Amino acid sequence: DVKVTQSSRYLVKRTGEKVFLECVQDMDHENMFWYRQDPGLGLRLIYFSYDVKMKEKGDIPEGYSVSREKKERFSLILESASTNQTSMYLCASIEGGTGRGAFFGQGTRLTVV
Amino acid sequence: DQQVKQNSPSLSVQEGRISILNCDYTNSMFDYFLWYKKYPAEGPTFLISISSIKDKNEDGRFTVFLNKSAKHLSLHIVPSQPGDSAVYFCAVPTAVIQGAQKLVFGQGTRLTINP
Repeated sequence: DVKVTQSSRYLVKRTGEKVFLECVQDMDHENMFWYRQDPGLGLRLIYFSYDVKMKEKGDIPEGYSVSREKKERFSLILESASTNQTSMYLCASIEGGTGRGAFFGQGTRLTVV
Repeated sequence: DQQVKQNSPSLSVQEGRISILNCDYTNSMFDYFLWYKKYPAEGPTFLISISSIKDKNEDGRFTVFLNKSAKHLSLHIVPSQPGDSAVYFCAVPTAVIQGAQKLVFGQGTRLTINP
């Protein structure tokens, strides 16, 4: 079974802090994604990566950056956390084009105070 | 831009009855469509998919129907069980770059199965 692991389940950070969310997958997938989930808005794509050191902006990239130095690891960085970034963050890994869908981590509930 | 809409934010169904969750999309250019299930404080899990060349795919209690002319998906769960209570998302792949799928999700429907 594919395993996608996010480093933290819950985080509380202060406004202005730099925040790192880490995600690791163990199935050698090339494609990895960061989404955030907010009530009534579904899952919105922040950034994705289709190879090491390759990244593309999603629908809501403002205030975020990403890093993919190794194939198995995809990091989301909040450069200066703000209260409107309080959300559930979900990392996903996918074997492109197979129809089997994405495999998600357990999520990180981030609260910015 | 691909738009995916789930117009019912919530649905309540009696145990043993059929649950029907709906999803509409705006672009027809994709090979398959997916449904995900999400419990609180967990990541979504893949539930079932359907190829665009089919109009129905069945997996146990779960059946997905695709009406391409109406650009409409539906997920049927029968019989519904209390463990089916969760948020359900439909997802459509879009903007393939370098072989990567970018999944666009609907807003989700919270399904509650009442004993």
